[in-house]
Amino acid sequence: DAGVIQSPRHEVTEMGQEVTLRCKPISGHDYLFWYRQTMMRGLELLIYFNNNVPIDDSGMPEDRFSAKMPNASFSTLKIQPSEPRDSAVYFCASSLGRFLQFFGPGTRLTVL
Amino acid sequence: QQQVKQSPQSLIVQKGGISIINCAYENTAFDYFPWYQQFPGKGPALLIAIRPDVSEKKEGRFTISFNKSAKQFSLHIMDSQPGDSATYFCAASRGSNYQLIWGAGTKLIIKP
Repeated sequence: DAGVIQSPRHEVTEMGQEVTLRCKPISGHDYLFWYRQTMMRGLELLIYFNNNVPIDDSGMPEDRFSAKMPNASFSTLKIQPSEPRDSAVYFCASSLGRFLQFFGPGTRLTVL
Repeated sequence: QQQVKQSPQSLIVQKGGISIINCAYENTAFDYFPWYQQFPGKGPALLIAIRPDVSEKKEGRFTISFNKSAKQFSLHIMDSQPGDSATYFCAASRGSNYQLIWGAGTKLIIKP
């Protein structure tokens, strides 16, 4: 089993550029979560989907952030325009039902 | 009400010692309490979890102790090993709400 796959693993971009992070959840999982992790704020839930439908996006920090899940095997998190304060590690996680969230390896985003 | 307070922020334990990390919560509706382990450069991974109908759960060297009346739960790592050095997160969730409420994390260092 491949686990949750995220790409890219590292992204360095300049302020104002659009950034797209990608996630492939574990096959058969019906929930997908996007998290952001920073030293200052710890682990924050940004948004989660159930059966491809966004359920709670109250953690999305600003309108600059958007997430989509066009099908059960793919999701994107987009930041447009990016700002230096968006620099963080972004994790995607998936689960089957409520109790066990499997995390991907994360995307380390640096916005200069 | 929604917070999970985790302590200590960091912990140094000698090899072979017992590592103890504590978490406290306010929302009595929480009914699922997992602990996640995160190594540098990796996503968090589920270590062990407990429901409030039991006071203790043990898996190998890892034990969760749960005190429902005090609204506290703790992770004990017996015979701590250098390979246990990681950041540990407690979390909680309730009912049909799939959002995990995360503690701030504890960076554990086991000295050889």
